[in-house]
Amino acid sequence: DSGVTQTPKHLITATGQRVTLRCSPRSGDLSVYWYQQSLDQGLQFLIHYYNGEERAKGNILERFSAQQFPDLHSELNLSSLELGDSALYFCASSVWPWSPQHFGDGTRLSIL
Amino acid sequence: SQELEQSPQSLIVQEGKNLTINCTSSKTLYGLYWYKQKYGEGLIFLMMLQKGGEEKSHEKITAKLDEKKQQSSLHITASQPSHAGIYLCGADGEGAQKLVFGQGTRLTINP
Repeated sequence: DSGVTQTPKHLITATGQRVTLRCSPRSGDLSVYWYQQSLDQGLQFLIHYYNGEERAKGNILERFSAQQFPDLHSELNLSSLELGDSALYFCASSVWPWSPQHFGDGTRLSIL
Repeated sequence: SQELEQSPQSLIVQEGKNLTINCTSSKTLYGLYWYKQKYGEGLIFLMMLQKGGEEKSHEKITAKLDEKKQQSSLHITASQPSHAGIYLCGADGEGAQKLVFGQGTRLTINP
């Protein structure tokens, strides 16, 4: 158990819909990262927040947004969903940006 | 942008045998991380290497970062079924704000 909690574990929805993925970091970790893992693209970095502020962005689509709240939990919002958005979405957390990241078990998103 | 290439992409070994997985970077590595993933599950942190020539071990797994800091190797001694999974190397991209990952090496251990 990494200590990073992601909910829900599975999500099935339709194209055009909007979903919210939630992440609770390990106790004491200030950094939260979001990644997308798919068979064709592998594990891709989406966005990093540190203590509530956005620190880095990867290839995150404009339809996707994220935020980190004062209690340090984070949410990833995906809107206007397309079939290609089907993937495993991971959240990771670390104490500082340069310390090892610990991953949650992921949310499996299926778009029908 | 930094790219990581892992070799081999897949590996099948007999239980008890040694094996090595390599990770080569297109740029100098300032932080190299090894993770293990069971299919469809989360990544488990194994080790972090930062200095050229650094070597770390945990149980039967040893990882090393070469002197020029552009390649890392992960060596498993006397492999066991519990070692099966996907091994991924990750590197700090753009000053430790995000990780770039290799495509992974799928390891199968045959009894």
